[in-house]
This record gives sequence, structure tokens and C-alpha cells, in this order.
Amino acid sequence: QVQLVESGGGVVQPGRSLRLSCAVSGFTFRTYGMHWVRQAPGKGLEWVAVVWYDEINKFYRESVQGRFTISRDNSKNTLYLQMNSLRVEDTAVYYCARGEGPTPGPTGNTDDAFDIWGQGTMVTVSS
Amino acid sequence: QSVLTQPPSVSGAPGQSITISCTGSSSNIGAGYDVHWYHHLPGTAPKLLIYGNNNRPSGVPDRFSGSKSGTSASLAITGLQAEDEADYYCQSYDSSLRAYVFGTGTKVTVL
Repeated sequence: QVQLVESGGGVVQPGRSLRLSCAVSGFTFRTYGMHWVRQAPGKGLEWVAVVWYDEINKFYRESVQGRFTISRDNSKNTLYLQMNSLRVEDTAVYYCARGEGPTPGPTGNTDDAFDIWGQGTMVTVSS
Repeated sequence: QSVLTQPPSVSGAPGQSITISCTGSSSNIGAGYDVHWYHHLPGTAPKLLIYGNNNRPSGVPDRFSGSKSGTSASLAITGLQAEDEADYYCQSYDSSLRAYVFGTGTKVTVL
């Protein structure tokens, strides 16, 4: 059974850090690109970042570039999102999602869909 | 803000057909990038409904279909059922933003 389970969300003050995890099971994790997508309260879905199968190639939306770091450990079947210098506007439910192929993103396959999603973890940035 | 525009809400009676539009521009849908559609109930995992403009993943009923033309795409739902009540999002890639982009979302209500 394919499963993506996010964890690590919580309430944090502006400027602080948080690390999200996404534990994966039911498919060969190391052969797929993986994304983080978020949804702010009352808003739509927003792509955050992607990492290729190789743990090396990573791409971000402009508003999180330099503050967030996406990573993965293929030996642990786990995806991560390190979020630093958090802002109030980062408040959202964060979802991990699988890309259709191994190399989604600006220099890879831009037509990959997000074919499997987790249930999300809530991050609240508030003083 | 989203670069793909959808109607905020669409409604229909059980058994009827509805269509959800997704309007983009020359840097995303109009540039030839594929459009995908997702079904989302708040608090749950979003679900891929249509991929590659008009393809259904295994398990998705043929009541759902997608199309694309120029700078726009559409999702059609025929034989509307109560279980179809949810939020629906289109998604593509934008070459100017160098980012994946989602539509503004459409809430479907079954009357």
C-alpha cells in the first residue's frame, strides 16, 4: 500500500526554524522525484520545492529560496523540508507529493504530475 | 497569487454535467505544458484526477474528462454525484516563474 506520512508541523514564532518529514512506503522511493506543496488557510495549493531521485538536484519557489531546504534520504525512504527564518505568510498545511518520474522540475521533466500525496502537516507561524 | 484562473464555484444537480475552466497564459498552458487536475477535500490528501491534459489514472471513473486548447483547459464531470462535492485544482508549469503553478481552485457543490 502506497503511503506518504508527513510529520513535524507545529506552532513556531517568526524567525524560528522547523523541520518537516515525510515517511514513504509502498513504492521504490529512490526512483521518484519528490515535492512539497502547501496550502495556506482559505487559500489554494502552492508548490514549494522539488528534489530529484538523486538527492542532488533541487528547485524552489522564489519566496522560499534561501530560507527552505528540501532533502531526502533514500536509505530511510524519507523526504525532508528544513524551514528557516519562518514568516507569518509561511503558515499553511504542508503536503509531500510524489512526482510521476525521477527528474521533475525546471531542468528536468516539467510535465510530471503530482501523482500521490500525503495528508499534510500544519505549520503555524505566529508570535 | 495563482497564475491559473478558475471559477470560484460551480454547482449542479445530481446527474447533471458541469465544466470547470482553467485559464492561463503564454508562459504556462499556452506554451504547451501539460495540465493536470486534482480533487481535494479539506483535511485529506489531494488526489490526481486527470494527468497529461486528458488521461485518467487507474480507478478514476470515466465521468471525469479533461481537455486543453490554446491558453486554457477544462475539466468536465458528467453524471454528477454527491461524492463529487470537493475542491478541484488545475496545475501546470510556468516557464517565466520556473515553477509549478496551480489554479485558484473551484468548489463544486451538488445541489
